[in-house]
Amino acid sequence: SQQGEEDPQALSIQEGENATMNCSYKTSINNLQWYRQNSGRGLVHLILIRSNEREKHSGRLRVTLDTSKKSSSLLITASRAADTASYFCATDEAGYSTLTFGKGTMLLVSP
Amino acid sequence: GAVVSQHPSRVICKSGTSVKIECRSLDFQATTMFWYRQFPKKSLMLMATSNEGSKATYEQGVEKDKFLINHASLTLSTLTVTSAHPEDSSFYICSASPMGLAGGGELFFGEGSRLTVL
Repeated sequence: SQQGEEDPQALSIQEGENATMNCSYKTSINNLQWYRQNSGRGLVHLILIRSNEREKHSGRLRVTLDTSKKSSSLLITASRAADTASYFCATDEAGYSTLTFGKGTMLLVSP
Repeated sequence: GAVVSQHPSRVICKSGTSVKIECRSLDFQATTMFWYRQFPKKSLMLMATSNEGSKATYEQGVEKDKFLINHASLTLSTLTVTSAHPEDSSFYICSASPMGLAGGGELFFGEGSRLTVL
């Protein structure tokens, strides 16, 4: 069953702008991960944030987690055309050993 | 990072035939592998968890006899779509985690297999 819901479904921005994607989930989690998928390809792991963390950075990526609201956000700063892809959040529900993916946000960065 | 190889990347078959997709972990051993299905512009749907040396665990609504999973070694899992029909056309992706998901490990994905059933 679907756990995460990303928002927006699609986002179109210009190079240099920041892109913010949000993810909401329904149950308690151990951690939340963000993945990227180029069209027709497999997924690539971007960043993981644990349930006891509130914010994490990795290069141009910034992830926040609010467990009280069951939501997370992914911020890509100074976006580039190469950032064009679909972005998915994934959660591992407490007690389960699988990842459940959200519906994804399609990001288009125009030069 | 770890590498997961998936083959074939594209396959076209006639209705009624069976298709086998292979998923290999190239530089780590995977006692567990995950098979996902993805419809166009949609999210990934977990089909089953493949367990080395034992039966796969299928998600609710996934037909075991339709989607046969075999995990014969620590580096190879196969998904066979039996008696394929046009509605089985989809993008199938396998993944595995060297550290295991329980400890907060990440998934490494194959490049996916695009199945088209005519």
